[in-house]
Amino acid sequence: NAGVTQTPKFQVLKTGQSMTLQCAQDMNHNSMYWYRQDPGMGLRLIYYSASEGTTDKGEVPNGYNVSRLNKREFSLRLESAAPSQTSVYFCASSALTDTQYFGPGTRLTVL
Amino acid sequence: EDKVVQSPLSLVVHEGDTVTLNCSYEVTNFRSLLWYKQEKKAPTFLFMLTSSGIEKKSGRLSSILDKKELSSILNITATQTGDSAIYLCAAGPGNSGYALNFGKGTSLLVTP
Repeated sequence: NAGVTQTPKFQVLKTGQSMTLQCAQDMNHNSMYWYRQDPGMGLRLIYYSASEGTTDKGEVPNGYNVSRLNKREFSLRLESAAPSQTSVYFCASSALTDTQYFGPGTRLTVL
Repeated sequence: EDKVVQSPLSLVVHEGDTVTLNCSYEVTNFRSLLWYKQEKKAPTFLFMLTSSGIEKKSGRLSSILDKKELSSILNITATQTGDSAIYLCAAGPGNSGYALNFGKGTSLLVTP
């Protein structure tokens, strides 16, 4: 039981490049989330998926897209990376309660 | 607008001290308040408090929810250096009906 896994762990991009962050959970959770964490800003919600087949914007969705591929997988795509997207990205999942379980994070640097 | 405010933002204590971390919330359709511990990696779940469970305890850590004051405290007694971390408070579900609103965290450093 791996919980929530994320790939890659680290990534360096140049401005304008695109990439997809992958997230998978093996806890049979319905809901999944993408957050970014910046120094002094706490965790800010980018997008979430309440259940398979649905996605909704969070607090800071601009510059990102998501895909809920199936119940297990929820990916985050940066179409044209900008330096302001340099951050640590966390994926999380939850079942019927509000308790969210987090993946190990992806540290992204955009030059 | 939903918001969660934590105080203090940072704290330095000596091993053995007792600390109290504060969290206040204004969240639409409030259902639960959660505490997480983050040590340079992913946040790990500590407690969830709801209307039906306003006090939780685990070892040296305990937490109380004050529904009247819309706040919560996290107490750590007999602190150890291993307690050094960022402690995050989150409340939900807010307008989305699902997502949590996180505070900025309290950075705790326990010195030997």
